[in-house]
Amino acid sequence: NAGVTQTPKFRVLKTGQSMTLLCAQDMNHEYMYWYRQDPGMGLRLIHYSVGEGTTAKGEVPDGYNVSRLKKQNFLLGLESAAPSQTSVYFCASRRQASSYEQYFGPGTRLTVT
Amino acid sequence: KNQVEQSPQSLIILEGKNCTLQCNYTVSPFSNLRWYKQDTGRGPVSLTIMTFSENTKSNGRYTATLDADTKQSSLHITASQLSDSASYICVVSFPTSGTYKYIFGTGTRLKVLA
Repeated sequence: NAGVTQTPKFRVLKTGQSMTLLCAQDMNHEYMYWYRQDPGMGLRLIHYSVGEGTTAKGEVPDGYNVSRLKKQNFLLGLESAAPSQTSVYFCASRRQASSYEQYFGPGTRLTVT
Repeated sequence: KNQVEQSPQSLIILEGKNCTLQCNYTVSPFSNLRWYKQDTGRGPVSLTIMTFSENTKSNGRYTATLDADTKQSSLHITASQLSDSASYICVVSFPTSGTYKYIFGTGTRLKVLA
């Protein structure tokens, strides 16, 4: 079991460029999440998915889009990157019941110049 | 407003010493509370989970307590080791719109010195 993996690990973008972050999990989890982590702040939810083909907005969705075409993958897209999107992005997944823990990926460090 | 506050922000202790980290929350309704450990450059990993009816739970040298009346939790680390150096994050979940959401604290950064 690889658990939750994220691609890429690091990326530097220029303002206005686009990119897609890939999250994959091999635990057959229904729920998947994208968070961003910024210094001095708790993880903030960007978007989440409760199952294949579904997505929903989280706390800070502006500037991001997501897709979950396959149960094991959750993609986070930045259409036109801005310096304010410089952050560390974490993907997480969990089983359906609330008592199950979220398993986090190793993170993607994104810098937008 | 649903909030999770942790204290202290950072802590330095000597190897072998004990320490206690605090988490206060205003989340309502409450589902459960987790403590996560996040090593530098890694994703958070769950240490303990506590529901409303539980007031103590241990995981090796980690012991979490929960007082649902005062909405406070603590994480006690016994006989600290260098590998305990990490950020510890308190997370409270609550039900909403048919699912559950999570409020993350900002974490306590612990440094254990030899």
